[in-house]
Amino acid sequence: GAVVSQHPSRVICKSGTSVKIECRSLDFQATTMFWYRQFPKQSLMLMATSNEGSKATYEQGVEKDKFLINHASLTLSTLTVTSAHPEDSSFYICSARGPGLNYGYTFGSGTRLTVV
Amino acid sequence: DQQVKQNSPSLSVQEGRISILNCDYTNSMFDYFLWYKKYPAEGPTFLISISSIKDKNEDGRFTVFLNKSAKHLSLHIVPSQPGDSAVYFCAASEGAGGGADGLTFGKGTHLIIQP
Repeated sequence: GAVVSQHPSRVICKSGTSVKIECRSLDFQATTMFWYRQFPKQSLMLMATSNEGSKATYEQGVEKDKFLINHASLTLSTLTVTSAHPEDSSFYICSARGPGLNYGYTFGSGTRLTVV
Repeated sequence: DQQVKQNSPSLSVQEGRISILNCDYTNSMFDYFLWYKKYPAEGPTFLISISSIKDKNEDGRFTVFLNKSAKHLSLHIVPSQPGDSAVYFCAASEGAGGGADGLTFGKGTHLIIQP
């Protein structure tokens, strides 16, 4: 089945620094990947759609300058949280669709970001 | 305004019995629905999906029912096992599962299977 790898699984950074999260589709090509954010005991909220070779599409209310998305290849999308603040602390998850209509959206294992 | 609603934050079911998790949606453009199982600090694991052209899809112990007129779907797990204890998310997409659209998630239902 389709596998999505996300790295790192956990990161702690200081306020004002930037953090990069990687999302890779291991055994399929994904022209589109998605980035979600989950607050404790809340739903997963779609942040942006990452498109290979073009600009990401951000959901309303998501700051594109703070959450930089780069989809450099058909198997890699990165999310960079710039000038991180404590309120950016959250669980970030990426997702991609496996090949064929019968494949569900496969999710990475998530990244727990803590900004101190 | 929440477009996908899971009104039961938690559900407790005895082992061996049927677990029924419910989900309602308001966006009539949704045409592809999915259920995910999730543990804390992990990504969701895909369970089962259904297209709006169907009203039932079955995979092993998991069955999803879709009632388009009521904008309601449900996940049935039978028989329930202790390993089923987790948070279950209902999700929906407008893209007929074509892959170009992100998912809209409900808030999840914490299923607890009691021995």
